[in-house]
Amino acid sequence: KQEVTQIPAALSVPEGENLVLNCSFTDSAIYNLQWFRQDPGKGLTSLLLIQSSQREQTSGRLNASLDKSSGRSTLYIAASQPGDSATYLCAVSPDNQFYFGTGTSLTVIP
Amino acid sequence: EAQVTQNPRYLITVTGKKLTVTCSQNMNHEYMSWYRQDPGLGLRQIYYSMNVEVTDKGDVPEGYKVSRKEKRNFPLILESPSPNQTSLYFCASSLSNYNEQFFGPGTRLTVL
Repeated sequence: KQEVTQIPAALSVPEGENLVLNCSFTDSAIYNLQWFRQDPGKGLTSLLLIQSSQREQTSGRLNASLDKSSGRSTLYIAASQPGDSATYLCAVSPDNQFYFGTGTSLTVIP
Repeated sequence: EAQVTQNPRYLITVTGKKLTVTCSQNMNHEYMSWYRQDPGLGLRQIYYSMNVEVTDKGDVPEGYKVSRKEKRNFPLILESPSPNQTSLYFCASSLSNYNEQFFGPGTRLTVL
């Protein structure tokens, strides 16, 4: 069974700092990997989707990379802002199911 | 507006009283899914559907039922809810399991 791990569980940074969130998974035979953000009490918002044949995806200040062979993905956030404060989740799809990590709670301090 | 809707958003019920949480999407997506989110355990998939009349168990299907009679709707049924089903539930949809998932706003269920 696929296991997805996100470390650290919580992260606090000053505004303007660049940061990296990590996601690791045990089974490298995945179709895709998706990054989400979740605000307190709210649903999940899709940030980036990386197909298994891709190495990275970019959207604005966000860049996600995928290394299937090592079972790792990183989400890079440039020039962090207080509005980036949220929980960030990654999910992988090795078959018809999806497996989520438990997330990294990010706080950006003004 | 493209969206996934869930109803109700909040529900408090008692053990054993059957309930249904509805999920509907207006994006003509084939893949739909239900998740529950619990502190420390993250999101876990309950059931998913690849298309109309096709449903499969996820990681935690015990105590739940689903149906997919129309492409847009994917209700979650708890025939006899128990307190351990108290959780935050999310419905999601995507074109296929290869594509980006879109989530509903969530349903917070409390079973007393």
